[in-house]
Amino acid sequence: AIQLTQSPSSLSASVGDRVTITCRASQGISSTLAWYQQKPGKPPKLLIYDASILEVGVPSRFSGSGSGTDFTLTISSLQPEDFATYYCQQFKSFPLFTFGPGTKVDVK
Amino acid sequence: EVQLVESGGNLVQPGGSLRVSCAASGFTFSAYWMSWVRQAPGKGLEWVANIKQDGSENYYVDSVKGRFTISRDNAKNSLYLHMSSLRADDTAVYYCARGVRFGSYFDLWGQGTLVTVSS
Repeated sequence: AIQLTQSPSSLSASVGDRVTITCRASQGISSTLAWYQQKPGKPPKLLIYDASILEVGVPSRFSGSGSGTDFTLTISSLQPEDFATYYCQQFKSFPLFTFGPGTKVDVK
Repeated sequence: EVQLVESGGNLVQPGGSLRVSCAASGFTFSAYWMSWVRQAPGKGLEWVANIKQDGSENYYVDSVKGRFTISRDNAKNSLYLHMSSLRADDTAVYYCARGVRFGSYFDLWGQGTLVTVSS
C-alpha cells in the first residue's frame, strides 16, 4: 500500500509568512495527489488536485508542486483564515486511497 | 444548494451494528462515485469505502473489509454505510464525500456524523 508522510507535523507561523508543507509518498505516484484544508469541527475542503491544479474558488496564494514521490503545498502569504490542518491524499492506487497524517498550522 | 447531509450516527456497543446515511441534493447524484471517509477524535483522515455510480463496484480499506458495507439508492439520492462487528477503534466522525474523476479526489463533503463505539 502507498503510504504518505507529511512534514512538519505542525508549524507555527505569522500572518504574511510564506509557509511550505511537504508530502512524501512511499513510491512514485506521478501527479496523483490532492491537498485539503480542514478547520476544527468542519469537513475538509479541496484546495489542489493533480498536485498543482488549484480548485475553483481557492485563493491564488495557495500553490502545489511536485511529481513522483515529493510534493509541496505553499501558502505564499499566510492569512488569518489559513490557520488550519492540511492533508495530502494520493489517488494513484485507485480505487483505494490514502491520506497523509496532516500538518497543523497555528499562530506563532 | 449543492450539499451532502449525513445522519444516523449514535452510541453503539462493541460488537453492535449501525447504519449511517448521506442525503445528496443539488447535483446529479447518480453521476458520481461516492466515498465514506472517517476521522477518529483528534486524529487524521482515513478513507473507508467507495462505490461506483451504478453501485456495481465497491471497495474498502482493509480494516473494515467484511464488517462494513457501502451501498447507494440513486432514486433517493442517498448513500449508506452499514457497519457491523463494531470496535472501539471505529469511533469517528464519518463523512460522505463526492468523488471527482472516477472518484479519485473529493470536491464536496458533508458535515459528518459521529459514531461512538463504547460500552
